[in-house]
Amino acid sequence: KNQVEQSPQSLIILEGKNCTLQCNYTVSPFSNLRWYKQDTGRGPVSLTIMTFSENTKSNGRYTATLDADTKQSSLHITASQLSDSASYICVVSPGEMEYGNKLVFGAGTILRVKS
Amino acid sequence: DGGITQSPKYLFRKEGQNVTLSCEQNLNHDAMYWYRQDPGQGLRLIYYSQIVNDFQKGDIAEGYSVSREKKESFPLTVTSAQKNPTAFYLCATRPRDSSIQNTEAFFGQGTRLTVV
Repeated sequence: KNQVEQSPQSLIILEGKNCTLQCNYTVSPFSNLRWYKQDTGRGPVSLTIMTFSENTKSNGRYTATLDADTKQSSLHITASQLSDSASYICVVSPGEMEYGNKLVFGAGTILRVKS
Repeated sequence: DGGITQSPKYLFRKEGQNVTLSCEQNLNHDAMYWYRQDPGQGLRLIYYSQIVNDFQKGDIAEGYSVSREKKESFPLTVTSAQKNPTAFYLCATRPRDSSIQNTEAFFGQGTRLTVV
């Protein structure tokens, strides 16, 4: 069964600190993995996409890694800010090339940044 | 201003009533999706549509219905048959592109439905 597991479920850090969120998946075949940020009461917004051949990709203070062999991804946030408080969702796209291919969503990690 | 508009933002429904959630997009995307989000769970697919006048059931279609009469619009009706409709509903779109496998899903701001 295609699944995406994220850890931790929630995390509280102090402003300015770094943190790393984890995503493990069993989706096969694999096409790509995206990290989305979802503010409370809003829709998710894509932060970065990782394809099979990519190991790391940065988007400002966000850095995503992918190990396709172990089927693991991480999202590292550097020098956290209060505005980073949100839910971070890992989404894996199966390899079937059709619009109906069903994206597989993780439950998300809720990050709270405290001052 | 381009994007996806979901309305209303909050919706209250009495038991036994049908309600319709609106999703309108001006991104000219072909594919549209409805997801349900519950606390502690990943988004679950209710229905999706790849072209006008065509739509397919997702993983949890029971108790829901949709229509796709226009490319811009994909309304979702939550019927009285849906036993536990209280949730956050998200509409999403994706463009038709040769590299479909990497196309991003764009989301609306969501509608929070509460049964009272």
